[in-house]
Amino acid sequence: AQSVTQPDIHITVSEGASLELRCNYSYGATPYLFWYVQSPGQGLQLLLKYFSGDTLVQGIKGFEAEFKRSQSSFNLRKPSVHWSDAAEYFCAVGARSGGGADGLTFGKGTHLIIQP
Amino acid sequence: DTAVSQTPKYLVTQMGNDKSIKCEQNLGHDTMYWYKQDSKKFLKIMFSYNNKELIINETVPNRFSPKSPDKAHLNLHINSLELGDSAVYFCASSQLATDTQYFGPGTRLTVL
Repeated sequence: AQSVTQPDIHITVSEGASLELRCNYSYGATPYLFWYVQSPGQGLQLLLKYFSGDTLVQGIKGFEAEFKRSQSSFNLRKPSVHWSDAAEYFCAVGARSGGGADGLTFGKGTHLIIQP
Repeated sequence: DTAVSQTPKYLVTQMGNDKSIKCEQNLGHDTMYWYKQDSKKFLKIMFSYNNKELIINETVPNRFSPKSPDKAHLNLHINSLELGDSAVYFCASSQLATDTQYFGPGTRLTVL
């Protein structure tokens, strides 16, 4: 079974500073990988996804993530954060086998705090 | 138009009651899901369903049952509600089981 680890429960970053959120996954083959963002009281919005091809993927709101198979990682980055980026960020993995209808496996989330 | 919608947004009820949460998607997707987000914000799949197959997470109590009147709807029915059922429930859909999932806004269920 697949699993996702987000080692940082909380991260505090100053506005305008760069950001990197860590995500490590466990899966027997090449997975589908996703980053979702959840603002307070809201649903989940897809930031970006990796299915295949170029390992550096671009997403919405200036985010990018890099798939590194050797490290089983899919870290999320942004060069300069804005106060509106304060939210909960979830990394998720989807299975490619077994019909795939097993749903996504999520990490426990990283709470991002932006300091003025 | 909202792609994946859920009603109600908030649901407060007493222990032992039976309640339903409705989900509709207008994306034409084939597969729909229900997730539970607990008080620590941990998201866990409960069900996935398409017109051929229902997959149930083995940890979900049988008091929970998904009901799909048609391809665009997957409702969640909960019998004999317990305090531990308090959570935010999210519906999602995808075109194929292995595609991107689009989430609804969530339903916050509070059991008193």
